[in-house]
Amino acid sequence: DTAVSQTPKYLVTQMGNDKSIKCEQNLGHDTMYWYKQDSKKFLKIMFSYNNKELIINETVPNRFSPKSPDKAHLNLHINSLELGDSAVYFCASSHVQGDEQFFGPGTRLTVL
Amino acid sequence: GENVEQHPSTLSVQEGDSAVIKCTYSDSASNYFPWYKQELGKRPQLIIDIRSNVGEKKDQRIAVTLNKTAKHFSLHITETQPEDSAVYFCAARYRGGGADGLTFGKGTHLIIQP
Repeated sequence: DTAVSQTPKYLVTQMGNDKSIKCEQNLGHDTMYWYKQDSKKFLKIMFSYNNKELIINETVPNRFSPKSPDKAHLNLHINSLELGDSAVYFCASSHVQGDEQFFGPGTRLTVL
Repeated sequence: GENVEQHPSTLSVQEGDSAVIKCTYSDSASNYFPWYKQELGKRPQLIIDIRSNVGEKKDQRIAVTLNKTAKHFSLHITETQPEDSAVYFCAARYRGGGADGLTFGKGTHLIIQP
């Protein structure tokens, strides 16, 4: 299937733990993004990578570290998880920076 | 940076009536304005978009209008159906020193009453 995929779909963990979310797209896009959607449904960009290079890094705690091993993958590692990190995290990709974006299915992170 | 305001936050309409959602943006350099629909528990999906070189675009029951002078754009849904119930997001492309991205509005929860 041609798509943006993410794993895992659900992630429940304790405060202080470290976790990773993986994202892959097979659309041949050059740009990938991470968004955070909080309980009020607000979609906020966290990071953007273009061809494996970080181009957008919004005001995000440095506990969040994205990694792009190649232009089809953008993973998100989170250290020392806090209660406020609970949200749905969406990966997305686009052919052109800032243009039509295709979203992954989301990862619902719950920090207890 | 870009600031996108979206109104209303909740909109309830009778099935068959029209719904209008409005957004304003701050960056006059913005040139791309997509609308996304997000059903409960699902991913946002693009339903229509408009670029700054046109003032209106239509796709069946959905239309988008853009007023560049006033920096606002609107989504119009006619003959609403129950499956139109969802959260709708507007967005505007911002251009920042080689790093383009989308800024999203805060969303409108559209409720279609039977």
